[in-house]
Amino acid sequence: GQNIDQPTEMTATEGAIVQINCTYQTSGFNGLFWYQQHAGEAPTFLSYNVLDGLEEKGRFSSFLSRSKGYSYLLLKELQMKDSASYLCAVRVQSGGSYIPTFGRGTSLIVHP
Amino acid sequence: GAGVSQSPRYKVAKRGQDVALRCDPISGHVSLFWYQQALGQGPEFLTYFQNEAQLDKSGLPSDRFFAERPEGSVSTLKIQRTQQEDSAVYLCASSLAVPSSGSRNEQFFGPGTRLTVL
Repeated sequence: GQNIDQPTEMTATEGAIVQINCTYQTSGFNGLFWYQQHAGEAPTFLSYNVLDGLEEKGRFSSFLSRSKGYSYLLLKELQMKDSASYLCAVRVQSGGSYIPTFGRGTSLIVHP
Repeated sequence: GAGVSQSPRYKVAKRGQDVALRCDPISGHVSLFWYQQALGQGPEFLTYFQNEAQLDKSGLPSDRFFAERPEGSVSTLKIQRTQQEDSAVYLCASSLAVPSSGSRNEQFFGPGTRLTVL
């Protein structure tokens, strides 16, 4: 099976920067995703990494190190609307299929 | 544009009842996934369809759970003889293509069905 670990909860101040870490132990790695999920809503796609390095998209960036089994999501210029759960998902090859497996999520609370 | 839709949005069942949860994926999406999400947890994989073929059902917790996608579009997740531990949000997600090595092919999620078993 897969073991995906991320902090349960983080708090940060509006306007600040926050880094949410995700570590994983898996076989058949085939990409890592970050999703945002507001309370009571569906997860929405944020980023995808399959090669080592940093992917930047506006206020959000995601980093991957495959050799270390490590990723982080970096959120800059935090806004109140960024308060949500952030889900790390690792896609693994299972037989002939590729299945995204999710961590438990990190609940981010942004306060004024 | 139309996203993934699920119905019903809320379902209350008495223990022992059968329930059926429906998912309408985005038109043309080949891949369809079902997940179970308990409160405060991440989505747990249940099953995966590629068109009408159920390629992976390793996450279904028991033989009371059954899923189908007979025409490769709409999918139904059926839970027989519901138990209290089945209470959760059931999420459906679709993606355009068959997941393959290196392709992004992100998932689009529906709003979920919140199932409460009394």
